[in-house]
Amino acid sequence: GQQVMQIPQYQHVQEGEDFTTYCNSSTTLSNIQWYKQRPGGHPVFLIQLVKSGEVKKQKRLTFQFGEAKKNSSLHITATQTTDVGTYFCAAGGYQKVTFGTGTKLQVIP
Amino acid sequence: KAGVTQTPRYLIKTRGQQVTLSCSPISGHRSVSWYQQTPGQGLQFLFEYFSETQRNKGNFPGRFSGRQFSNSRSEMNVSTLELGDSALYLCASSLRGGSSYEQYFGPGTRLTVT
Repeated sequence: GQQVMQIPQYQHVQEGEDFTTYCNSSTTLSNIQWYKQRPGGHPVFLIQLVKSGEVKKQKRLTFQFGEAKKNSSLHITATQTTDVGTYFCAAGGYQKVTFGTGTKLQVIP
Repeated sequence: KAGVTQTPRYLIKTRGQQVTLSCSPISGHRSVSWYQQTPGQGLQFLFEYFSETQRNKGNFPGRFSGRQFSNSRSEMNVSTLELGDSALYLCASSLRGGSSYEQYFGPGTRLTVT
């Protein structure tokens, strides 16, 4: 079945540093979604990417979908303490979504 | 619009017992998915229901079952509980489900099996 890996598993950054998490699929995807889960909370939808090579920005967050539609990345510029949480990618296949393993981000003030 | 609600929020059960969890989706959403979240395994997909039919199923034993009612509310049942079933169970609703629509998660039910 479809496998979705995210790296790194954990990341500690100083406040103000940048952060990137990568999502890799073993198969070509129809789309990719990103979610954020704050500590003690539930996953919250951030964005969906559909087109090959697509890049979308939300304030300090930049999302990319690979040209081959097999990988994606989320980049946060100048992290803040409010960025703390676990970031999940969710790979869209045929009628099914597979969540990645998640990257837990800690921001040191 | 009210968000996704799950009841109960916390539950403690004993090995061998069974449990039923409930999920009320966002009004108008017809798809409900269930996930098991544990620290070591991340978000594991259990199943998805759309218009009262199970559309997708994850790799969980038959002890895990679910159903969806005509008002889109969904229940999940786990029979013969095992210690390893302790987890946060999340349900997520979506307009039409599948991979094209974003999912809205509920707060989860924290199940502890002793």
